[in-house]
Amino acid sequence: GENVEQHPSTLSVQEGDSAVIKCTYSDSASNYFPWYKQELGKRPQLIIDIRSNVGEKKDQRIAVTLNKTAKHFSLHITETQPEDSAVYFCAAKLTGGGNKLTFGTGTQLKVEL
Amino acid sequence: DAGITQSPRYKITETGRQVTLMCHQTWSHSYMFWYRQDLGHGLRLIYYSAAADITDKGEVPDGYVVSRSKTENFPLTLESATRSQTSVYFCASSEQGLIYGYTFGSGTRLTVV
Repeated sequence: GENVEQHPSTLSVQEGDSAVIKCTYSDSASNYFPWYKQELGKRPQLIIDIRSNVGEKKDQRIAVTLNKTAKHFSLHITETQPEDSAVYFCAAKLTGGGNKLTFGTGTQLKVEL
Repeated sequence: DAGITQSPRYKITETGRQVTLMCHQTWSHSYMFWYRQDLGHGLRLIYYSAAADITDKGEVPDGYVVSRSKTENFPLTLESATRSQTSVYFCASSEQGLIYGYTFGSGTRLTVV
């Protein structure tokens, strides 16, 4: 099955700086890569996703890049704000995998004033 | 996201008891999932269902039972609860094409004493 590794497990940045979280996946047949944000005590919520036919996708201050050759994808947050503080999860789905997502272990992002 | 609801929000039970966690969605999504969330492990798939009466095991199915007699409901039963099943349980749903990713319920925090 698919295996997803996520780094770092914790990340602390100053407000206004950029944050980058990286994930690697094991199965080259994976074709869908979402990112979820989970605030303390809340449910995970989809913030951005990318499919294997695209190399980069942006939505305001967040972007995701995908390198299929190296089997890794990254979340980039620019101009970080205190409300960006949360746990971020990456995930991957195998082609034909029945919509099952395999999640990374999460990154606790803290944006300091 | 009130279209997917979990109950109860919190549950304390004793070792050996049977516990059922409920999940209900109103979107007629074909796929439904149960994940458990534990510190250091991220979100791990317990069981999933592609449609009514179709269920399949995920990564950590032992000790759990699911059923899906109706599209909108996907209950998760712990047949004989153990302390290792203390966790936060999230139900999620998605449509066939994963256009909008998963939508998660608000979670059930289960403590087995």
